[in-house]
Amino acid sequence: GQQLNQSPQSMFIQEGEDVSMNCTSSSIFNTWLWYKQDPGEGPVLLIALYKAGELTSNGRLTAQFGITRKDSFLNISASIPSDVGIYFCAGQSPYSGAGSYQLTFGKGTKLSVIP
Amino acid sequence: KAGVTQTPRYLIKTRGQQVTLSCSPISGHRSVSWYQQTPGQGLQFLFEYFSETQRNKGNFPGRFSGRQFSNSRSEMNVSTLELGDSALYLCASSYNQETQYFGPGTRLLVL
Repeated sequence: GQQLNQSPQSMFIQEGEDVSMNCTSSSIFNTWLWYKQDPGEGPVLLIALYKAGELTSNGRLTAQFGITRKDSFLNISASIPSDVGIYFCAGQSPYSGAGSYQLTFGKGTKLSVIP
Repeated sequence: KAGVTQTPRYLIKTRGQQVTLSCSPISGHRSVSWYQQTPGQGLQFLFEYFSETQRNKGNFPGRFSGRQFSNSRSEMNVSTLELGDSALYLCASSYNQETQYFGPGTRLLVL
């Protein structure tokens, strides 16, 4: 099946630093989504990208949909303690029949912010 | 607008039992997808329902099943539970199929 390679697996940063994480795949995706998950909770959607080359911001977060449709990155600027959590990328496959789409998730990037 | 709700939030079962989890999507969303999340395998797709029909299915054994009702609420059932079924089960709803919104999950522990 399809796989997403998300890196880094984990990172420790100082408060105020910028963070960058990315996902790559051997398959193309129609949509890239970035989620954040806190312990014991479901993933919360941060940014959705729908077109190759698209660059979208949401506050201190910026994400881009790669031109090849096989990769995406997420940047967090001026990190704060509440940014701590696990960040997941997800790619939505092209139409798979009967109008159904399926998300494939990366393994996640665990972010720790040192005050 | 209320988010995706899942019940129960926590569940403890023993091997061999069966379990039913419930998901209520965001109002107006007709697509509901289910995922299993474990530390080792990450988030894995189980199945997706739209208008009471299963449209897509992941690579899970037949012990995992689901259904969707006319009000778009969905249930998933796991029969003959195994220790390896211990996981966080997440439900996600979607309106336009391009963006999925997740519920808080049901944490299942199989003893």
